[in-house]
Amino acid sequence: RKEVEQDPGPFNVPEGATVAFNCTYSNSASQSFFWYRQDCRKEPKLLMSVYSSGNEDGRFTAQLNRASQYISLLIRDSKLSDSATYLCVVNADTNAGKSTFGDGTTLTVKP
Amino acid sequence: DAMVIQNPRYQVTQFGKPVTLSCSQTLNHNVMYWYQQKSSQAPKLLFHYYDKDFNNEADTPDNFQSRRPNTSFCFLDIRSPGLGDAAMYLCATSRPLGRTYNEQFFGPGTRLTVL
Repeated sequence: RKEVEQDPGPFNVPEGATVAFNCTYSNSASQSFFWYRQDCRKEPKLLMSVYSSGNEDGRFTAQLNRASQYISLLIRDSKLSDSATYLCVVNADTNAGKSTFGDGTTLTVKP
Repeated sequence: DAMVIQNPRYQVTQFGKPVTLSCSQTLNHNVMYWYQQKSSQAPKLLFHYYDKDFNNEADTPDNFQSRRPNTSFCFLDIRSPGLGDAAMYLCATSRPLGRTYNEQFFGPGTRLTVL
């Protein structure tokens, strides 16, 4: 079993749709959680940190469920510019400095 | 105002010819990472430095080495590139907050082609 597993995708949605991605992690000692966005042939860029209380940034909402060891990303009112690969990243304090990346979920928003 | 800079952006080398990729940062972050990313795959951590302390991943081949001469610079040396080493190499930095590792800032990557 992988340490971080994401929905395999790809997700193809029309503009304006709401789409949700899930990510599960196996290390219960994990301390911090992030969603990164990676455009084709570009570097990953931080989209959101994920806090225990959940957090929202405009059309994006991230949630963490420690008991079930999963995090989620919800995108509302999808835009064409949201098309990208979304990477779930988990940091475990016991593995000092090491981030574990999920394989990513590719989203394509179509007109 | 680039914060993590990688050079070169594109590198072509011959099979077995050593190559060095460089990374510099203006963020004064303690931690620097090197990742290998192949097409449609997640970035794979090769190693990282926490200050001067080097941390190698168990499955990183000996063919890959790294140097960090100072806080700002970090190098990735591939001693004898094989065809399977063709990939995007990403450098990233991070500044831990206490015992929590914070977000990583990535450079634009170096795309390595091995002929």
